[in-house]
Amino acid sequence: NAGVMQNPRHLVRRRGQEARLRCSPMKGHSHVYWYRQLPEEGLKFMVYLQKENIIDESGMPKERFSAEFPKEGPSILRIQQVVRGDSAAYFCASSPDSLNQPQHFGDGTRLSIL
Amino acid sequence: RKEVEQDPGPFNVPEGATVAFNCTYSNSASQSFFWYRQDCRKEPKLLMSVYSSGNEDGRFTAQLNRASQYISLLIRDSKLSDSATYLCVVEGYSSASKIIFGSGTRLSIRP
Repeated sequence: NAGVMQNPRHLVRRRGQEARLRCSPMKGHSHVYWYRQLPEEGLKFMVYLQKENIIDESGMPKERFSAEFPKEGPSILRIQQVVRGDSAAYFCASSPDSLNQPQHFGDGTRLSIL
Repeated sequence: RKEVEQDPGPFNVPEGATVAFNCTYSNSASQSFFWYRQDCRKEPKLLMSVYSSGNEDGRFTAQLNRASQYISLLIRDSKLSDSATYLCVVEGYSSASKIIFGSGTRLSIRP
């Protein structure tokens, strides 16, 4: 399957723990986007990355959240000291180019905070 | 004004009906427009791109009205399987690289 791969599909954490979400873009795609979706709400843009660069992080909360897309390996969305409000579906998408190209989504990671 | 606005619905129509949604956008310089569908608790999937001249894919027709800054999606002969949330996507202006998703319009097709 050459689609966008996200793991884990489901992640359960206790308050105060760290959550790491991984995303491998489609083959040939160099642009990665992270979105968050709360129950019954729309997708909210978080961050846009290219290899080794954060291009736009205007949707990222100022604290506890960080993202990276290293030269080798998947993109990582990291949430430190998780709180109940972080419970959501986190979707990753990739595209071959940032402009005029549709994004393709992974299955998402459902994060639940106990 | 939101960058992308959609009527949240829900639209509840009988099978076989024709239904249309609009989506308005604020950036007159936007170049890229797409419709995605999202099923409950699933990832968004690209339905179709929207071109300036309008485009059709089977029962689905997408149109762009630049003068009034909206795009539309028309679904003919609706099927039960069309029940989903339809997301309008527009290239945003606050970042050249950021694409803005609308909050979605919920469609429910009844037998």
